[in-house]
Amino acid sequence: AQSVTQLDSQVPVFEEAPVELRCNYSSSVSVYLFWYVQYPNQGLQLLLKYLSGSTLVKGINGFEAEFNKSQTSFHLRKPSVHISDTAEYFCAVSYPGNTPLVFGKGTRLSVIA
Amino acid sequence: DTEVTQTPKHLVMGMTNKKSLKCEQHMGHRAMYWYKQKAKKPPELMFVYSYEKLSINESVPSRFSPECPNSSLLNLHLHALQPEDSALYLCASSPAEHTQYFGPGTRLTVL
Repeated sequence: AQSVTQLDSQVPVFEEAPVELRCNYSSSVSVYLFWYVQYPNQGLQLLLKYLSGSTLVKGINGFEAEFNKSQTSFHLRKPSVHISDTAEYFCAVSYPGNTPLVFGKGTRLSVIA
Repeated sequence: DTEVTQTPKHLVMGMTNKKSLKCEQHMGHRAMYWYKQKAKKPPELMFVYSYEKLSINESVPSRFSPECPNSSLLNLHLHALQPEDSALYLCASSPAEHTQYFGPGTRLTVL
């Protein structure tokens, strides 16, 4: 069965420091990869996605992610975080054939002033 | 415009009540989804509608009844719920290329 592993359940980081949230998926076939952010008491907002093409994907709010097929990873990065980036971040994968999204368990990013 | 709207924002209901959640999108997306999300957990898929037909039902109890009256609307009818059904209910929609866009959710509390 397909799975997504977010290696860190919580990541504390100081304001203006860089951050990387890790995501690995299990698959040997083509995949579509997504990062969503969820602020408290809100729905999920799409940060960025990889469908095909360039492996470096840029998203909203200064986030970017790199698709690494050999390592089956799709880590999310931001060079300088803000207090407002404090939220839950979910990595998700889907597969050709319009299959449902498979979510990781989420990573709680806490930005400390 | 990638907006999915959901009403109501909050809902409190007793175990004998009947209520409905509503979801709407005007992006021309032909797939719509209901998810349930408990605190500190990822969303769990409940139902998928594709071209207004139910295509996936993830073994959801019959006290949850989805309905897709047209390509823009998705309802979730609730009846005889249990306290453990209290959660954030999220609606999403997607075009053909798999990207799902989520609504803000309905926070449901069952007393």
